[in-house]
Amino acid sequence: AQKITQTQPGMFVQEKEAVTLDCTYDTSDPSYGLFWYKQPSSGEMIFLIYQGSYDQQNATEGRYSLNFQKARKSANLVISASQLGDSAMYFCAMRSGNNRLAFGKGNQVVVIP
Amino acid sequence: GAVVSQHPSRVICKSGTSVKIECRSLDFQATTMFWYRQFPKQSLMLMATSNEGSKATYEQGVEKDKFLINHASLTLSTLTVTSAHPEDSSFYICSARHASRGPDEQFFGPGTRLTVL
Repeated sequence: AQKITQTQPGMFVQEKEAVTLDCTYDTSDPSYGLFWYKQPSSGEMIFLIYQGSYDQQNATEGRYSLNFQKARKSANLVISASQLGDSAMYFCAMRSGNNRLAFGKGNQVVVIP
Repeated sequence: GAVVSQHPSRVICKSGTSVKIECRSLDFQATTMFWYRQFPKQSLMLMATSNEGSKATYEQGVEKDKFLINHASLTLSTLTVTSAHPEDSSFYICSARHASRGPDEQFFGPGTRLTVL
């Protein structure tokens, strides 16, 4: 069975500062994919970044980067230069062999001016 | 490209009625669609995997007679909550997998908020 763990409580981040959101996972599949999604109060799920289990380099997408440590089974999201619009829930997810996504419980981030 | 819509965005119904939620891929073909349920301040829980032209695969604990899924075409899947009760009130989100892209490409709809009185 797969498991995604996000344990951080809600976080307040100063605008323009960087924030790291923790995610650990557990799977027996040798091939898997890791995702981060942003969910603002409106509810839509916004894809941020993806890391494949065989990717050699850490994924980056603009202000988002994924700190992938395979041996530790962690896939932390780093948001640089936080903006007020970054306030949202952030979910870590993992794709299993049958293409189903399993989500973590999420991290609430509030960016303050 | 790769836009997924859901209709309605919000629905309020009386207990005992059935509610149908549509999930459409607007500019691509989706061989597989997924239905999720999200309670307030909680994570998304996969309910079922919907494959075009075949029966849906339900996750453990999800009643298939309660949550009817029909994936009649490559661009439309519907979720019908039958005989809805207040405990069915939730945020329902679908996602669609692009037929010609890799397995990791899933695009989410904007969600449907169901309130059962």
